[in-house]
Amino acid sequence: DIQMTQSPSSLSASVGDRVTITCRASQSISRNLNWYQQKPGNAPKLLISVTSSLESGVPSRFSGSGSGTDFSLTISSLQPEDFATYYCQQSYSTPPFTFGPGTKVDIK
Amino acid sequence: EVQLVESGGGLVQPGGSLRLSCAASGFTFSNFWMNWVRQAPGKGLEWVANINQDGTEKYYVDSVKGRFTNSRDYAKNSLYLQMNSLRAEDTAVYYCTRGYISNLYWGQGTLVTVSS
Repeated sequence: DIQMTQSPSSLSASVGDRVTITCRASQSISRNLNWYQQKPGNAPKLLISVTSSLESGVPSRFSGSGSGTDFSLTISSLQPEDFATYYCQQSYSTPPFTFGPGTKVDIK
Repeated sequence: EVQLVESGGGLVQPGGSLRLSCAASGFTFSNFWMNWVRQAPGKGLEWVANINQDGTEKYYVDSVKGRFTNSRDYAKNSLYLQMNSLRAEDTAVYYCTRGYISNLYWGQGTLVTVSS
């Protein structure tokens, strides 16, 4: 099975900061990488699919990039509503479609 | 409006069984892969299982193979997860999701607690 890692596991940032979260796969997954945002007590929300395709209604300050084994999620200017935990997920070939361990973004 | 509503969670003893249900509405149920994703208390997300549109393909994470069974009922527009031989490490909120490459729609989750 493909293993996913994320870094950092947590970060503290201020409103307006540029934030980048990285995700690495244990083998090449082409561009089959999704990003989710989860706030406490809520189900995860899909932000970006297939590396860089922004879901409808997701602010343009979110962007994704990468291919192969290395990927990143960037928030260009952090807003108060962006404080949450972010997960990557690979969906390459056949299941299981594993998630990364998550990156918690909190207020500095 | 797409809705996924899970039910069937609760407290069960180790070794016991439970069947989760997910009622789907707002879309043509037979057109989509469906999934189960779980989250242990305070932990991250774990993909558990999925099933294809006609129920002929099913995949499971290794830790539940042979114990969990995924099925769907088209007359009731419902997805099911039969969980047998439950262990403490199966304690989690179980989410039903729609999709294959990505999971755009999620239910609110149902909590399964395995404890004596």
